[in-house]
Amino acid sequence: KAGVTQTPRYLIKTRGQQVTLSCSPISGHRSVSWYQQTPGQGLQFLFEYFSETQRNKGNFPGRFSGRQFSNSRSEMNVSTLELGDSALYLCASSIQGGNTEAFFGQGTRLTVV
Amino acid sequence: DAKTTQPPSMDCAEGRAANLPCNHSTISGNEYVYWYRQIHSQGPQYIIHGLKNNETNEMASLIITEDRKSSTLILPHATLRDTAVYYCIVRVHSLNYGQNFVFGPGTRLSVLP
Repeated sequence: KAGVTQTPRYLIKTRGQQVTLSCSPISGHRSVSWYQQTPGQGLQFLFEYFSETQRNKGNFPGRFSGRQFSNSRSEMNVSTLELGDSALYLCASSIQGGNTEAFFGQGTRLTVV
Repeated sequence: DAKTTQPPSMDCAEGRAANLPCNHSTISGNEYVYWYRQIHSQGPQYIIHGLKNNETNEMASLIITEDRKSSTLILPHATLRDTAVYYCIVRVHSLNYGQNFVFGPGTRLSVLP
């Protein structure tokens, strides 16, 4: 059974640009969550999608957005990139959400220069 | 979700049991204890979770005190590959709650040869 797949693994972008990250959950999983990890703030929850609807949202500015497709694959978009957006972005999938364990992907390391 | 307190770091000799404590004195009746670990630059890996009974799987054992105010994750025979940051998370375990874990700083476990 394939795990959670995130693409790309590494990305370098310039300030002001936008970026889209992709996450393919484990087959049969309908919940996809996104997290940002930085050395200073640790792992922080961004948002969760379930059945193509955003169900939970963390405390991040509107520049961070996401969506989920009918096949449960999810994308995360960050617009007007800032240097502080440099981080490891992690995606986690679970069967239904709050009553099951989540499985994380390897992450996308974004560097903003 | 209840707050957790973990020691920032611990050492363990290879081959010995690693006992990682977690305090969650404000845990409520419908909150489960989850453990994840993160090996450097990889996504967090699910280890185990439980409500009030002790749990065991192929990776670890989880011992929860009778009053549920604290728990211990036990890695029975630690290896060098168990060196990682271990996160204890307490959260509601509900179908409709959503998949949004709150990660603290965790415990950095170093397994020494």
